[in-house]
Amino acid sequence: QVQLQQSGPGLVRPSQTLSVTCVISGDSVSNNTVAWNWIRQSPSRGLEWLGRTFYRAKWYNDYALSVKRRISINSDTSRNHLSLQLKSVTPEDTGVYYCARAGSNTGLDFWGQGTLVTASS
Amino acid sequence: VMTQSPPSLPVSPGESASMSCRSNQSLLYTNGHNYLDWYLQKPGRSPQLLIYLGSNRASGVPDRFSGSGAGTDFTLKISRVEAEDVGTYYCMQALHSPLTFGGGTKVEIK
Repeated sequence: QVQLQQSGPGLVRPSQTLSVTCVISGDSVSNNTVAWNWIRQSPSRGLEWLGRTFYRAKWYNDYALSVKRRISINSDTSRNHLSLQLKSVTPEDTGVYYCARAGSNTGLDFWGQGTLVTASS
Repeated sequence: VMTQSPPSLPVSPGESASMSCRSNQSLLYTNGHNYLDWYLQKPGRSPQLLIYLGSNRASGVPDRFSGSGAGTDFTLKISRVEAEDVGTYYCMQALHSPLTFGGGTKVEIK
């Protein structure tokens, strides 16, 4: 059974960098049939897809335009985890951040437990 | 843009419930699949996959849940609603990047 365990600080100061990690068990971050996604949720924006990373002989990233200049999604094959970094945060970046696996034509089939991040001074 | 209706759906236990999801672009791909998924987010929990590719139930999802539709118009039906079905249902299109979610339909028990 695939499990995604998230961790990260709950509070980030404005203009600083938000970092959340997602540790994968039961699958490999370099599985070449899936993609690893980051999604956030806030009352004002609802569920918002931020980006994904996937391995198909080499690594690819795909980011939402709304965060493209500030986001970075990386994978660590030695630790079997992926990470999200969002630079220059503002209070509008406050929300619950989720990592999720996208199977091959099978939807976002496994989700992390969510990490509440508050961007505030 | 994904538009869901109604925003709120009160249902009595044992009754059926139906909700709609509309996309402003076709979600039908050349392989014949419609890239539309349904998720349920129970209170305080992460979203969970119910239906993928428009009409395929995810592993462990009761057959009370069914998805239908094609192109731009999709429906999720719950037959014989149970108390555990309470939560917010979201549709998501997975054909075009960025992936986008609807605003949700909140199901509550009368």
